Amino acid sequence: NAGVTQTPKFQVLKTGQSMTLQCAQDMNHNSMYWYRQDPGMGLRLIYYSASEGTTDKGEVPNGYNVSRLNKREFSLRLESAAPSQTSVYFCASNLNLGGGYQPQHFGDGTRLSIL
Amino acid sequence: QKEVEQNSGPLSVPEGAIASLNCTYSDRVSQSFFWYRQYSGKSPELIMSIYSNGDKEDGRFTAQLNKASQYVSLLIRDSQPSDSATYLCAVNQAGTALIFGKGTTLSVSS
Repeated sequence: NAGVTQTPKFQVLKTGQSMTLQCAQDMNHNSMYWYRQDPGMGLRLIYYSASEGTTDKGEVPNGYNVSRLNKREFSLRLESAAPSQTSVYFCASNLNLGGGYQPQHFGDGTRLSIL
Repeated sequence: QKEVEQNSGPLSVPEGAIASLNCTYSDRVSQSFFWYRQYSGKSPELIMSIYSNGDKEDGRFTAQLNKASQYVSLLIRDSQPSDSATYLCAVNQAGTALIFGKGTTLSVSS
């Protein structure tokens, strides 16, 4: 009963390094999302994938890229990490049959620090 | 800019009292509304969803929606210390992405 699984849970990077955050869901959901959460800023959408083969920018996409590898997996890549990208990153998914009525389910998050 | 506004709190209530959490949203075409609970250091957890005007009850939780006033609220009856958390209001405008408020921190004292 895993739900949404994110790896790694914690990561420390140096400025300029690159890394990929992994997300996988086992609920046969159509849509997947990446958010970042910063103190006082709430959850902000970085990118989302409405269905396999599609990706779209959210509110704060600069500095990130995504790949919807298949229906289960959605990865987030930081090509050249910056201290401003220090945050907690959450992946979410939902069934998304249209109309926006299906709630999103969240993974446990990745806590990323960039020095 | 589509916005979801919440009072950041903290909202402090004694154990056994009713906690009332409020949320307003800017986009009139919003169709679905969700309340998430987030404990410190944890991920958001869905506790209620509401789509139609009126009240929806689930155990100690009641969600209230008024689309004309663009207002959604969450009532927690018989509040317990375990209810102490940040409550996030989220709104969907018939698209795929949710817009979240910044959350209200609730503290229930025993």
